[in-house]
Amino acid sequence: QVQLQQSGAELAKPGSSVKISCKASGYTFTSYYISWIKQTTGQGLEYIGYINTGSGGTNYNEKFKGKATLTVDKSSSTAFMQLSSLTPDDSAVYYCARVEFGVGRAFDYWGQGVMVTVSS
Amino acid sequence: DTVLTQSPALAVSPGERVSISCRASEGVNSYMHWYQQKPGQQPKLLIYKASNLASGVPARFSGSGSGTDFTLTIDPVEADDTATYFCQQSWNDPRTFGGGTKLELK
Repeated sequence: QVQLQQSGAELAKPGSSVKISCKASGYTFTSYYISWIKQTTGQGLEYIGYINTGSGGTNYNEKFKGKATLTVDKSSSTAFMQLSSLTPDDSAVYYCARVEFGVGRAFDYWGQGVMVTVSS
Repeated sequence: DTVLTQSPALAVSPGERVSISCRASEGVNSYMHWYQQKPGQQPKLLIYKASNLASGVPARFSGSGSGTDFTLTIDPVEADDTATYFCQQSWNDPRTFGGGTKLELK
């Protein structure tokens, strides 16, 4: 069965970076893009961008350019998102999700989410 | 960005029919999707491209609409449907989500 397994919770200091992972299983990794989504109580769900897991090509929401960097390791079927220059506003739950072009580019499977807390 | 507007909350009794609306600030063709999120869980895809039931989703859920106005309907509502429901469009960049409608059962 399709699974997206994300790494564990992160506690980071302002100004630092974190890199979270999303390991896929149960399907051909390079046949689907992976998107990343931020969820906060105040702002709801925000789309960060996607990575083409085959080519490594990326597309970012303008709001997250310079904040998020998406990469992929095809050998381990894992997608990564690095968040840099962290501020308290980056505290959130971050999800990875599979993009299914066959269903209109909806997010058909989601990881369990990673809570990132930015605090001094 | 395309703004998706949802009512913040609804309360219904089990066995009733409920409709949750989502209005887009600009046209999204039929590229509107619906997700269910229960507390402490990740969102789950219910409906894709406005009216198509995702795999494994009960037929009590249905979707309709095109352009700027979309509706998710649950009929009949069951106790397990207590959750927040989000709409999301994939026609315009960046992809955007509605603020969510929290469904509570009386």
